[in-house]
Amino acid sequence: NAGVTQTPKFRVLKTGQSMTLLCAQDMNHEYMYWYRQDPGMGLRLIHYSVGEGTTAKGEVPDGYNVSRLKKQNFLLGLESAAPSQTSVYFCASGNLGHLGLNTEAFFGQGTRLTVV
Amino acid sequence: KNEVEQSPQNLTAQEGEFITINCSYSVGISALHWLQQHPGGGIVSLFMLSSGKKKHGRLIATINIQEKHSSLHITASHPRDSAVYICAVRSTGTASKLTFGTGTRLQVTL
Repeated sequence: NAGVTQTPKFRVLKTGQSMTLLCAQDMNHEYMYWYRQDPGMGLRLIHYSVGEGTTAKGEVPDGYNVSRLKKQNFLLGLESAAPSQTSVYFCASGNLGHLGLNTEAFFGQGTRLTVV
Repeated sequence: KNEVEQSPQNLTAQEGEFITINCSYSVGISALHWLQQHPGGGIVSLFMLSSGKKKHGRLIATINIQEKHSSLHITASHPRDSAVYICAVRSTGTASKLTFGTGTRLQVTL
């Protein structure tokens, strides 16, 4: 059981380049999230999805796009990378359980992205 | 003011010491999570709490809903406990989003 897998783990981009980060989960979770982690700040939500085919904006969505074509995959795209997007990106997944009570959140290992 | 505040920001302890990390929040919540992030970056969920107390091995997490406060305790600390511990809350009405504290960096020395 792999849990939540992110690819790639590391990437260096030049300003203006595009890339896609892939998050895959094998736990049949409905909810998936993309966060960024920057020094001195808590993880901040970029975009999230509450089910296949749905996406929604989080706190810091500008400069990013997402897609959830399959339940198990959540893709994060950077169309034109900027140095401000240098960060560590985490994907997470989870479910709402019985009566809306939360279940644990499961995190990927992170992707360290540097934009030069 | 952040919705989730952790203290201390940094903590150094000697092996065997009892450790407490605190988390205060300012919103109504449906759940609070304690997470552990090791050097190298991976994040692991330790606990999810909505009331009372949970224990797993040497880790104990408590929450006081009325006071909007949670604590994470580590008994008989060990160098392998060195990590960043993150508190995150799921606000009521936000369906599924977590708000994170900035983390407490713990270093346990021999």
